[in-house]
Amino acid sequence: QVQLVESGGGLVKPGGSLRLSCAASGFTFSDYYMSWIRQAPGKGLEWVSYISTSGSTIYYADSVKGRFTISRDSAKNSLYLQMNSLRAEDTAVYYCARGIAPGWDYWGQGTLVTVSS
Amino acid sequence: SVLTQPPSASGTPGQRVTISCSGSSSNIGSNYVYWYHQLPGTAPKLLIYRNNPRPSGVPDRFSGSKSGTSASLAISGLRSEDEADYYCAAWDDSLSGVVFGGGTKLTVL
Repeated sequence: QVQLVESGGGLVKPGGSLRLSCAASGFTFSDYYMSWIRQAPGKGLEWVSYISTSGSTIYYADSVKGRFTISRDSAKNSLYLQMNSLRAEDTAVYYCARGIAPGWDYWGQGTLVTVSS
Repeated sequence: SVLTQPPSASGTPGQRVTISCSGSSSNIGSNYVYWYHQLPGTAPKLLIYRNNPRPSGVPDRFSGSKSGTSASLAISGLRSEDEADYYCAAWDDSLSGVVFGGGTKLTVL
């Protein structure tokens, strides 16, 4: 069965960095576009970034452009999000999801990132 | 939010409710609309893709439609388990990114 498991969240100070991972299983990871979507506490959904199957096409939301980097490793069936220069407004649950944006058919359970001093 | 949804909607069991999603020519007007629902504490689940098809396993009580720069999600035969937050989403050509509606909290009275 398809599984997406995020990890790497936690508490970080403003200006700090964090790397999220998403381990994929139950499907051919290299065949699917992947995305990161986040949800601030008590708020709605916000798309963060997506990456094509080969990694040659990448898009970012304006709110994270220049600070976040999405990448993937098909040998490890994993998706990553490197987050630098973190701000309080980046506090959210971060989900990885499978599919061509915005049609995501499988989502992970999410990992919480808290940016606070 | 770039896409506009009513913050709340409600209905009684068995009723039909509709949730609207309004956008512009750069998003809904030129791209597919997708709908998700989210139960508290869980990840969103895809309900409708490419304006109106349903993924396998989604009951036919859920239907989507699109006209111009607006879209709608209709839920017929409302059930208590439909109580959730509902979001519309679309690609935006001007922003080169995905835009979401602010979400609609559906209450089953």
